[in-house]
Amino acid sequence: DTEVTQTPKHLVMGMTNKKSLKCEQHMGHRAMYWYKQKAKKPPELMFVYSYEKLSINESVPSRFSPECPNSSLLNLHLHALQPEDSALYLCASSQLAGSSYNEQFFGPGTRLTVL
Amino acid sequence: SQKIEQNSEALNIQEGKTATLTCNYTNYSPAYLQWYRQDPGRGPVFLLLIRENEKEKRKERLKVTFDTTLKQSLFHITASQPADSATYLCALDDNQGGKLIFGQGTELSVKP
Repeated sequence: DTEVTQTPKHLVMGMTNKKSLKCEQHMGHRAMYWYKQKAKKPPELMFVYSYEKLSINESVPSRFSPECPNSSLLNLHLHALQPEDSALYLCASSQLAGSSYNEQFFGPGTRLTVL
Repeated sequence: SQKIEQNSEALNIQEGKTATLTCNYTNYSPAYLQWYRQDPGRGPVFLLLIRENEKEKRKERLKVTFDTTLKQSLFHITASQPADSATYLCALDDNQGGKLIFGQGTELSVKP
């Protein structure tokens, strides 16, 4: 199984809602990532988990809260988002973080709209 | 300041020709550089990785070069096909434990 899955595919939420994005991989990868991508822009790294521990936080606002319950799962909890947070949220995984085997496998993304 | 730039936002070529995409970077010393393909509304798909001590890498119709002196990578698609139409992203590591920095992408359109 060489796939990263993400749920839901689409999410519409109000600024007072709490929601979660989910990501799963079964490739035995020990690094997992969250990216945010706006239209016509490249993916921007948000968080990196290495061996289930948060290793990089790119100064992301606290209304985004990542969680890695185990080596296969990655969640992104959302609370009190702003309309400018509307974007495609991409999850990725790689064999290891910070090594030459760092090709990343991306999921299809969750299209988030904040009203 | 650190920058990673791809030569153009859009590139239009005729089917059968070779597409050449450029990625230049400044104030980085990457150990490797990667190329990804992204279709609209989808996640990027890994294509090729080239290490700093490699000059050239090939995979089927794809070829990538890496010149650490010029701080440049070239990505070639030979015998291009309409199905190659997509956005191509270069990305380099920032020597910070897995942080990949992406260029802004080049949107390739191959016309029949």
